[in-house]
Amino acid sequence: EPEVTQTPSHQVTQMGQEVILRCVPISNHLYFYWYRQILGQKVEFLVSFYNNEISEKSEIFDDQFSVERPDGSNFTLKIRSTKLEDSAMYFCASTRDDRGEFYGYTFGSGTRLTVV
Amino acid sequence: DAKTTQPNSMESNEEEPVHLPCNHSTISGTDYIHWYRQLPSQGPEYVIHGLTSNVNNRMASLAIAEDRKSSTLILHRATLRDAAVYYCIQSGSARQLTFGSGTQLTVLP
Repeated sequence: EPEVTQTPSHQVTQMGQEVILRCVPISNHLYFYWYRQILGQKVEFLVSFYNNEISEKSEIFDDQFSVERPDGSNFTLKIRSTKLEDSAMYFCASTRDDRGEFYGYTFGSGTRLTVV
Repeated sequence: DAKTTQPNSMESNEEEPVHLPCNHSTISGTDYIHWYRQLPSQGPEYVIHGLTSNVNNRMASLAIAEDRKSSTLILHRATLRDAAVYYCIQSGSARQLTFGSGTQLTVLP
């Protein structure tokens, strides 16, 4: 079964450093997403991306965050200057959504980001 | 905030059916009902979704009330691997999913 692949599985970074989290969505999917889950808390929506641009974003997704699909296969989340509160599990997801019909999301296994 | 209400936890015996309830009293005509589950230390996993009619797939069945204000996820034969947090999510035209706290399902051997 096709998978969404995320790398790295775990990243430790110093406060103030930039991090890039990488995702390879399923090849025929059209919508891409980032979610995060702080330890012990709910899964939270960050951003959705369609047709090479952001389609929706949450309040969490401020100027410190950016997303990119640089080469038609990878989908990245960049945090410019990490804060301690950015420590969380970050999940990438993708979905087909062909001609308006909704299909289920496929989530990756996540990247655990630890900011020290 | 999540628009659905689910019990915090449920228990089931292995190899027995499980019925996980969800209330979504504010649902509108175009809102889908989605179910995802999350095993420990893993990303959410799609289970099933529906709009008005009952739905079946290889993982589960989704029974939607006639007024659409509630639904039930049915696992026909629970296994130990089905122990997870199950999320019922109501979504509209926006593609984002708003996760609540879900139901922690414990499967007893």
